Amino acid sequence: DAGVIQSPRHEVTEMGQEVTLRCKPISGHNSLFWYRQTMMRGLELLIYFNNNVPIDDSGMPEDRFSAKMPNASFSTLKIQPSEPRDSAVYFCASSLVRDEQYFGPGTRLTVT
Amino acid sequence: SQQGEEDPQALSIQEGENATMNCSYKTSINNLQWYRQNSGRGLVHLILIRSNEREKHSGRLRVTLDTSKKSSSLLITASRAADTASYFCATTLTARLTFGTGTRLQVTL
Repeated sequence: DAGVIQSPRHEVTEMGQEVTLRCKPISGHNSLFWYRQTMMRGLELLIYFNNNVPIDDSGMPEDRFSAKMPNASFSTLKIQPSEPRDSAVYFCASSLVRDEQYFGPGTRLTVT
Repeated sequence: SQQGEEDPQALSIQEGENATMNCSYKTSINNLQWYRQNSGRGLVHLILIRSNEREKHSGRLRVTLDTSKKSSSLLITASRAADTASYFCATTLTARLTFGTGTRLQVTL
């Protein structure tokens, strides 16, 4: 079975540009999570969806960040405009109910 | 914040030795999970212990949970070089996980 799929794996962009990260959760999982990992702040939950509905977006840093889940098999995290401090590894994870989460390989974002 | 704190931050041992990592948290939980992260990779779930459990085993892993002290420990027995990774505890009360700061484990030959 395919795990959580994220694309792109690496993204380098200039400050001010729009960045879109994509995630395909494991089929049948009903919860999807977006995390950000940096050396300074560790692993932070940005937002999570349950049955395609955003449940908790309290971790979204600011209005420049937005996330959507148009259907059960796809989610996007968008940053517009991007800033150098957004540089991090962004992980998507999915789960079934309240059990273990399955993480994707991550997208390493560098904003110059 | 419910963020957990792992202790130690870094641990270096020789292959064959046991490795113990500790996690402390601040609020009530439904369960506590341990994850492993190899360098440059996503996190991999290792083991889950529920709030009404005190100890759990999985292969070479042993996890304990003391809800009165709000702490957990992860023991890896007979460590191998392949166990080299960062280990994170994560607590959950609802569906969201709150991760600790992690312990970097280095297992040398």
